[in-house]
Amino acid sequence: KNEVEQSPQNLTAQEGEFITINCSYSVGISALHWLQQHPGGGIVSLFMLSSGKKKHGRLIATINIQEKHSSLHITASHPRDSAVYICAVVSIKAAGNKLTFGGGTRVLVKP
Amino acid sequence: KAGVTQTPRYLIKTRGQQVTLSCSPISGHRSVSWYQQTPGQGLQFLFEYFSETQRNKGNFPGRFSGRQFSNSRSEMNVSTLELGDSALYLCASSSTGTGAEAFFGQGTRLTVV
Repeated sequence: KNEVEQSPQNLTAQEGEFITINCSYSVGISALHWLQQHPGGGIVSLFMLSSGKKKHGRLIATINIQEKHSSLHITASHPRDSAVYICAVVSIKAAGNKLTFGGGTRVLVKP
Repeated sequence: KAGVTQTPRYLIKTRGQQVTLSCSPISGHRSVSWYQQTPGQGLQFLFEYFSETQRNKGNFPGRFSGRQFSNSRSEMNVSTLELGDSALYLCASSSTGTGAEAFFGQGTRLTVV
């Protein structure tokens, strides 16, 4: 079983819909990252969380440390949100910034 | 502030050759991590360097190596290339500390033929 599991693997939404991506992990963590990857490969860091909730524009990320679960929400989705969204954790057992990744969620937003 | 710069962006090599990839982190960042991304395995951690010392290492064979210079620039080297080494290689820089925000480069796409 992978240390970081994401669901769903693929998601198609109509423009304007609310999108939720889930991430579950099995290890103790010092931080959880949500990343976005567009075709072409570049990865952008969206959020880094260790507790609670963060919001940036139409994106909201939450984490429940006790349940080892995080969610990424996209409100009023837009075709430009089409990308792969990746959850990654930093284990408390690993010194430094080593990231362990989930498998990613491919999001397609149709106009 | 300049972002993370990886060179080259694309590379084609022949089996058995070796390759060196370069990563220049954000100014002031002392941590550089390297990752391999393939369609089958997803993103996997290769190694992390901090202040010229390898701080973490992933489960890759010894053909994969790296180093970090005093200006924090990092290189990774893959010797005796195999077809399975074809991948997108990404580096990420972070400021000091554990679990710091990661800033990724655009990656180097390596194709081994």
